[in-house]
Amino acid sequence: QKEVEQDPGPLSVPEGAIVSLNCTYSNSAFQYFMWYRQYSRKGPELLMYTYSSGNKEDGRFTAQVDKSSKYISLFIRDSQPSDSATYLCAMDTGTASKLTFGTGTRLQVTL
Amino acid sequence: AAGVIQSPRHLIKEKRETATLKCYPIPRHDTVYWYQQGPGQDPQFLISFYEKMQSDKGSIPDRFSAQQFSDYHSELNMSSLELGDSALYFCASSQSRYEQYFGPGTRLTVT
Repeated sequence: QKEVEQDPGPLSVPEGAIVSLNCTYSNSAFQYFMWYRQYSRKGPELLMYTYSSGNKEDGRFTAQVDKSSKYISLFIRDSQPSDSATYLCAMDTGTASKLTFGTGTRLQVTL
Repeated sequence: AAGVIQSPRHLIKEKRETATLKCYPIPRHDTVYWYQQGPGQDPQFLISFYEKMQSDKGSIPDRFSAQQFSDYHSELNMSSLELGDSALYFCASSQSRYEQYFGPGTRLTVT
């Protein structure tokens, strides 16, 4: 079983919808949580970076971490067709330098 | 803002050949990471360097080696290439150890 689980989708939503993307993890040592957006054949782009439980907001994006449930979420408000991409969650224990990724959720925002 | 630069962007090699991938981190970033992403898969950590010293090692085959030079650029050397080595290879860099910024990747095709 993978340390980080993420529904691969695809997830299709109409323009303007609120999107909820989620990851669960099993390693309680993970302390730093990131969301990356990856367009086809491009490098992952860092969207959000959080530490500890709670919410963090940046524009249309909100990242939520619940360490007690080992569950993280990314919410996208007022979704746009340009948001269509694969969204990867990633985690780090803080003592290792590598990121452990989820498999990514493919999002399609339709007009 | 300056980003991570990778070269070449595309590379086609035959089985048993060697390949060298180069990575130029964001200025003032002291840590470089290498990841391999197969088709439809999440990035898998290979190796990282902090201040020119290897800092962590993941699932990197013995046929691969890497180093970070005095100007902080890094090279991933791959020998005895196999068909299964065909993948996207990403370099990421960071100033802190947590916010990793990815390059556009090198697409390696082994025929």
